Amino acid sequence: QVQLQESGPGLVKPSETLSLTCAVSGYSISSGYYWGWIRQPPGKGLEWIGSIYHSGSTYYNPSLKSRVTISVDTSKNQFSLKLSSVTAADTAVYYCARQLGATDYWGQGTLVTVSS
Amino acid sequence: EIVLTQSPGTLSLSPGERATLSCRASQSVSSSYLAWYQQKPGQAPRLLIYGASSRATGIPDRFSGSGSGTDFTLTISRLEPEDFAVYYCQQYGSSPPGGTFGQGTKVEIK
Repeated sequence: QVQLQESGPGLVKPSETLSLTCAVSGYSISSGYYWGWIRQPPGKGLEWIGSIYHSGSTYYNPSLKSRVTISVDTSKNQFSLKLSSVTAADTAVYYCARQLGATDYWGQGTLVTVSS
Repeated sequence: EIVLTQSPGTLSLSPGERATLSCRASQSVSSSYLAWYQQKPGQAPRLLIYGASSRATGIPDRFSGSGSGTDFTLTISRLEPEDFAVYYCQQYGSSPPGGTFGQGTKVEIK
């Protein structure tokens, strides 16, 4: 059974960098698939942030591209998200997920609040 | 960027009734790349349908997807109590994935 678990600070100050990690179990990242991040502001809809292929190729939402970095550590079977220069608009539940086109496995999500 | 518009915003139905949810795209979407998700409060979304009409693993056959081009439909043939939730459509790519989501349709108990 594939499982994903997000971890990272729940509170980030404005203008700082949001950093999250997703630990994957039950499947080896290096075996394939895309691994992505999706967020959901409180009470709102879903937004794809970006994805990374097991080879390390990255793909970002054009609206966030200038602020996003996604990386993978196959030795630890995990991948990470960095979002720089955050504002209150970046407050959301952040999900990590496995994608092969559609997103078939999701983490439980972690709420990140941007506030001073 | 393709914009997906879901309707209605809220659907009020009783258990046992049929639910029909619509997802309209601003430009043609390959049927291979349209998905539907269910989300309950405090939970991550769950994949129901991919490729416009293929049920994901473990999804009951009361859920079905159809459509092509710019108009897609999710049908729940007979609502069970656990089906009351928010449903999202998504158009995605094959390589890379990504894509955009609709704003969601809430199916609530009447």
